[in-house]
Amino acid sequence: DQQVKQNSPSLSVQEGRISILNCDYTNSMFDYFLWYKKYPAEGPTFLISISSIKDKNEDGRFTVFLNKSAKHLSLHIVPSQPGDSAVYFCACGGGSEKLVFGKGTKLTVNP
Amino acid sequence: DAGITQSPRHKVTETGTPVTLRCHQTENHRYMYWYRQDPGHGLRLIHYSYGVKDTDKGEVSDGYSVSRSKTEDFLLTLESATSSQTSVYFCAISGLAGGSVKETQYFGPGTRLLVL
Repeated sequence: DQQVKQNSPSLSVQEGRISILNCDYTNSMFDYFLWYKKYPAEGPTFLISISSIKDKNEDGRFTVFLNKSAKHLSLHIVPSQPGDSAVYFCACGGGSEKLVFGKGTKLTVNP
Repeated sequence: DAGITQSPRHKVTETGTPVTLRCHQTENHRYMYWYRQDPGHGLRLIHYSYGVKDTDKGEVSDGYSVSRSKTEDFLLTLESATSSQTSVYFCAISGLAGGSVKETQYFGPGTRLLVL
């Protein structure tokens, strides 16, 4: 029973365009949400987070949107760059020190 | 760089042998975690620690044990390695001493384990 779902295993976009990565969750106890980026042969690195009291958080080219009623979050990357090509994991937490991760979406940004 | 290292970075072992992976942090974080990453499964929590000598099970704890005798080190032991434990193992840390539990987890570089 997956509590956190990233339904798109892969996504391909053109350089300069917007990348939108989606994540759905089922547990209404989750109240903070994170996105991680992972390059091959490296550990995941923290990208951006949002708490449930907000619906948007922006950091440079990266924006995370949270729709609590739909239990949905998304990561927007504008403009996309070839160096953004990586696997992106969403993670959800709440009520404990543990995070639950999605299975990841592999983003490829084509020059 | 969150000051977290893992050793060894690569290991090949045989079925039935014990294996210990080490996670070391220099940041005085309270919480430490062990995950495994497998194709089609993302990151799954094996065990975590919320303080010295305080540990708890995660989602996929069978076949694994952990120990934390000091703040900076968190050891993951495969008592008798099996081929199903071939994976990439990541350690993570969070929660500066006295801080909120709702803090970002920072990951180490990973250990690639192959069990033959």
